[in-house]
Amino acid sequence: QKEVEQDPGPLSVPEGAIVSLNCTYSNSAFQYFMWYRQYSRKGPELLMYTYSSGNKEDGRFTAQVDKSSKYISLFIRDSQPSDSATYLCAMDSSYKLIFGSGTRLLVRP
Amino acid sequence: DAGVTQSPTHLIKTRGQHVTLRCSPISGHKSVSWYQQVLGQGPQFIFQYYEKEERGRGNFPDRFSARQFPNYSSELNVNALLLGDSALYLCASSPVAGEVTGELFFGEGSRLTVL
Repeated sequence: QKEVEQDPGPLSVPEGAIVSLNCTYSNSAFQYFMWYRQYSRKGPELLMYTYSSGNKEDGRFTAQVDKSSKYISLFIRDSQPSDSATYLCAMDSSYKLIFGSGTRLLVRP
Repeated sequence: DAGVTQSPTHLIKTRGQHVTLRCSPISGHKSVSWYQQVLGQGPQFIFQYYEKEERGRGNFPDRFSARQFPNYSSELNVNALLLGDSALYLCASSPVAGEVTGELFFGEGSRLTVL
C-alpha cells in the first residue's frame, strides 16, 4: 500500500463547476500538506501549503485537512479551462515530500 | 525574480552512458532537492542538499549522486544509465532545510530519454 493514495482520474467537468480533489494517506506523522498543479511537460507549481488540520482558502482554491480521517481535499470554485492540469497532493516527511500519483483534471469550455 | 532554473531541458542518452543535470535555486534559497518523475506518477525523492551537505537520500541506487556548490547550485549525476532511468528530473529549492521540508519550489525539469 502506498503512503499517499490519489485517484488518477481523469476528472472532466464543465466550466464553472466546483471541483473536489482528494487524497488519503496512511502515516499519521504527516503534519504539513501541499497541493501542486502541474501542466503538461512542466514542473509542479505550489498552490496551497497547510499545517495540521483545518481549512485554508486562497482565491478560488480551498484546502481541507482532516487528520482524524487521514484525508485531504482541494476544492476549486468557478473552475476555468485554464485549471486543466494534473493536481498532485504532497505530504512532508522530514527532509522530503511524499507525493500522490496525481489527478488529471479537464475543464470543458 | 528568477525561479529555479534547470539545464538541459531535454536530452537523449543510450544505455550505459552517464548524464549530468544542473540546477540553480531561487536566489536566497540554500536547500536544493532532486526528484524523479516517471510518466503518470508523482515525483519521487532522490536527494536533499543544504549548505553543501547531503541531508537526505531516497531509495535510489548508488549510480545516482549529487553535489551542491558554494553558490548553492547543484548537479545530479547518473552513471550506467538504464532504460528505466527515463523520466523528468525535477530540481526544487527551499529557503529552509531539516525536519520540515517547507515550501518547495520546482523548476521545469530535465526530460531524460534513455534508448
